Amino acid sequence: AQTVTQSQPEMSVQEAETVTLSCTYDTSESDYYLFWYKQPPSRQMILVIRQEAYKQQNATENRFSVNFQKAAKSFSLKISDSQLGDAAMYFCAYRSFQGGSEKLVFGKGTKLTVNP
Amino acid sequence: DAGVIQSPRHEVTEMGQEVTLRCKPISGHDYLFWYRQTMMRGLELLIYFNNNVPIDDSGMPEDRFSAKMPNASFSTLKIQPSEPRDSAVYFCASSFYPFNEKLFFGSGTQLSVL
Repeated sequence: AQTVTQSQPEMSVQEAETVTLSCTYDTSESDYYLFWYKQPPSRQMILVIRQEAYKQQNATENRFSVNFQKAAKSFSLKISDSQLGDAAMYFCAYRSFQGGSEKLVFGKGTKLTVNP
Repeated sequence: DAGVIQSPRHEVTEMGQEVTLRCKPISGHDYLFWYRQTMMRGLELLIYFNNNVPIDDSGMPEDRFSAKMPNASFSTLKIQPSEPRDSAVYFCASSFYPFNEKLFFGSGTQLSVL
C-alpha cells in the first residue's frame, strides 16, 4: 500500500525567510500525482501545488516550489519569502488510479509557524 | 460556484445517538470523497464515490458508519450509534475525473461525541 511520510511534525521560519518541508512516499507504481495542501486555522484545505510523476521539471507556483526526486521518492515543498499568512498545517498527498481503484493518501502533516 | 458545502459545521451529540453529516459537491464533479481527520491518525479516506456509485469503502471503520449518494448533488455520512472515539473533523471533497485533478474540500464538520 502507498504511504506518505512527513517527518517534521512542526517547523518554524522567520518572516521573509525560506523554509523547506519534507515529504517521502512509498509506491511501486510509475504513474501518479503528488500534491501539497495547506490547511489554515479555518480548516479549509487549499491546494498549494501539484506535480505529475512523469514530469522531470519541478512544479512552481509563485513563492512555492517543489523538489521532486522520483528515484528517491521524495517531494519537498519550498516556501520562499515566507509570509505570516503561510502559517498553517501542510499536507503532502499521493494520488493514483490503477486497477480500477482510486488511491489518495495524505501524510500526517507539518505545522508551520511564521515568526514576525 | 459556492464550492463544496458541508453541514453542519459543528455537531455535538451524546454517545449512542445517530449522527448525519451532509455534503453538496461542486456541480459537475465526478468524484466525491469522505475523509476523517484526527490528531492521531491524520486524514483518513473513509469512502469515495464515482458518479454516485460507492467505489471503495474499505476505509469505513465499522458497520456503524454508512454513506450514501442518492444523486450527483448530495451525499450523507451516517454514524449509528455514535461513540466518543468517533469525535473528529469529517471532510467531504469532490473533483473531476481524471485523478490528477485537485480535490476541492468542504470546510468540514467538527463532530464531538460526549
